[in-house]
Amino acid sequence: AQTVTQSQPEMSVQEAETVTLSCTYDTSENNYYLFWYKQPPSRQMILVIRQEAYKQQNATENRFSVNFQKAAKSFSLKISDSQLGDTAMYFCAFSVVTNAGKSTFGDGTTLTVKP
Amino acid sequence: GAGVSQTPSNKVTEKGKYVELRCDPISGHTALYWYRQSLGQGPEFLIYFQGTGAADDSGLPNDRFFAVRPEGSVSTLKIQRTERGDSAVYLCASSLDPGPSGTQYFGPGTRLLVL
Repeated sequence: AQTVTQSQPEMSVQEAETVTLSCTYDTSENNYYLFWYKQPPSRQMILVIRQEAYKQQNATENRFSVNFQKAAKSFSLKISDSQLGDTAMYFCAFSVVTNAGKSTFGDGTTLTVKP
Repeated sequence: GAGVSQTPSNKVTEKGKYVELRCDPISGHTALYWYRQSLGQGPEFLIYFQGTGAADDSGLPNDRFFAVRPEGSVSTLKIQRTERGDSAVYLCASSLDPGPSGTQYFGPGTRLLVL
């Protein structure tokens, strides 16, 4: 069974600073995708960034980047130049390529960006 | 264009009653997913449709839960003989491409409260 663990239930960061959210996962599969989703207080979840396991290069989307350590099964999210609008719950998720529909989510990290 | 919509946004029912939750995916999206999100937890996969058929229903907790997508567009999640433990936010997502390479777009959810 696949599991996703987010060990930081809550984090805070000052506006314009950098913050890193941690995620570890467990799987025996080799071909999978990892995701970070953002869920603002309004509840609608959006995809922040996606990483394919077979790609060694870390994914980057503007201020968001990941540190993917496949051997360690670690997938952290770095948010640079934090903005007030980044305040949200962040979920790490995992999906095996051969199990097309099923994503496994962690329990989330609540991030608060302080002015 | 319009995003994923879910109705109702809130549903309060009594233990033992039957409820239907509706999801309208983004037009043209062939893949549709249902998740359940309990308070303080990440989304939990329930079922995945590719077109009209349920490609993976391994996440449905028991036979009180059933979902349909008769025309490959709108989907309805049906819960019979509701229990207090069914109280959660039910999220729907759709994607143009099936599998983890396709971006899932989430709806705002239906908050179900079973009294």
